[in-house]
Amino acid sequence: QVQLVESGGGVVQPGGSLRLSCAASGFTFNTYGMHWVRQAPGKGLEWVAFLRYDNTKEYYADSVRGRFTISRENSKSTLYLQMNSLRPEDTAVYFCAKDGLGSALYYFDYWGQGTLVTVSS
Amino acid sequence: DIVMTQSPDSLAVSLGERATVNCKSSQSILYSSNNRNYLAWYQQKPGQPPKLLIYWASTRESGVPDRFSGSGSGTDFTLTISSLQAEDVAVYYCHQYYITPLTFGGGTRVEIK
Repeated sequence: QVQLVESGGGVVQPGGSLRLSCAASGFTFNTYGMHWVRQAPGKGLEWVAFLRYDNTKEYYADSVRGRFTISRENSKSTLYLQMNSLRPEDTAVYFCAKDGLGSALYYFDYWGQGTLVTVSS
Repeated sequence: DIVMTQSPDSLAVSLGERATVNCKSSQSILYSSNNRNYLAWYQQKPGQPPKLLIYWASTRESGVPDRFSGSGSGTDFTLTISSLQAEDVAVYYCHQYYITPLTFGGGTRVEIK
């Protein structure tokens, strides 16, 4: 069965950096695009970033473009999110999610449990 | 950006009764070349990640009970729970994947009356 396990969350000061990881299993990782989606405490869902299965195309929300970088290691079935210049408004649970179809951006058919990032001094 | 507006914010329905959640997009999310609406619905229970219920506006994900159905086209969409069960208490989100940035509705909380 498909499993997505995020790690790397924690407490960081404003302006700091953090790297999230998402270990995937149960499907052919190198044939599906992957997303990061976040949810601020008590709030709704916000799409953050997408990376194509072959690392050739990435997309970002305006709120994180230039500060966050999505990447993947297909040999390790792992997705990453490098987060720099963190702001208090980046505080959220970060979910990795598998794209439903793979080559472009579609719906999210599997989600991890999420990892909490808290940006606070 | 496409703005997704859900209504109501919350609703309380008796067990066994119908629950209806509405979602309106600020522009059409119907792709004319394949006649598909780029809309999905998710269910999120407390402390859990969202779960995919419906995609292409009306295609039920495998394993989702048939009391859940999606309808609509263009800019107006509906998620219907035909006979509410206790385990359906959750927040429901619509999501457009027609164009980036991918966007979600604000969520609708469904409770038992």
